[in-house]
Amino acid sequence: QVQLVQSGSELKKPGASVKVSCKASGNSFSNSAMNWVRQAPGQGLEWMGWIDTDTGNPTYAQGFTGRFMFSLDTSLRTTYLQISSLNPDDTAIYYCARGGRGLYKSGWYPYQFDDWGQGTLVTVSS
Amino acid sequence: DIVMTQSPDSLAVSLGERATINCKSSQSLLYNSNNKNYLAWYQQKPGQPPKLLIYWASTRQSGVPDRFSGSGSGTDFTLTISSLQAEDVAVYYCQQYYDPLTFGQGTRVEI
Repeated sequence: QVQLVQSGSELKKPGASVKVSCKASGNSFSNSAMNWVRQAPGQGLEWMGWIDTDTGNPTYAQGFTGRFMFSLDTSLRTTYLQISSLNPDDTAIYYCARGGRGLYKSGWYPYQFDDWGQGTLVTVSS
Repeated sequence: DIVMTQSPDSLAVSLGERATINCKSSQSLLYNSNNKNYLAWYQQKPGQPPKLLIYWASTRQSGVPDRFSGSGSGTDFTLTISSLQAEDVAVYYCQQYYDPLTFGQGTRVEI
């Protein structure tokens, strides 16, 4: 099992940027998919995309291109989510979640999420 | 994208009774090459991150009580809690990871 510890809450003004970190400890960091999930206040779960921990290749879900960036520092076992040009609609809890990935159909795809970080609340307000 | 629709949106069940949550996908989640359904179930309690309960539609995650079970294939899936306990009050989500990955809207289970 992998423990995921995320950085603390953030309060940002519209137009600013934020970088959220997710540090992994324990086994099974390599050969994994590190996913990011958004949960707006009182709402459901929305998958933002994933990054392959072996190649560092990011994949973004529809609606999460342009202002969102995933990155990885394998030496620190840490994954990052950066959001630029923040607006109030970005106010949400952001979770990192680790799972396996598999080669099928035309490429690598993430599987179910075995481990979750505790979540990071990002509040965007003037 | 594949659309996942859960029913009902909320459910009130007495302690010790059965709870059943349905999840329907807009296309089949069964990958014929390995005969696996790419569906998972999660439980989210207030103020906590989600927790994986079931994957491959019916495989229980290690440590999950056996009162939780998953069934179904293709486009129709069910999560069953055989005997509801007080600690099972939560929102439950289905998730498909066939192409590429989407969640259902969630089902709130109350006592």
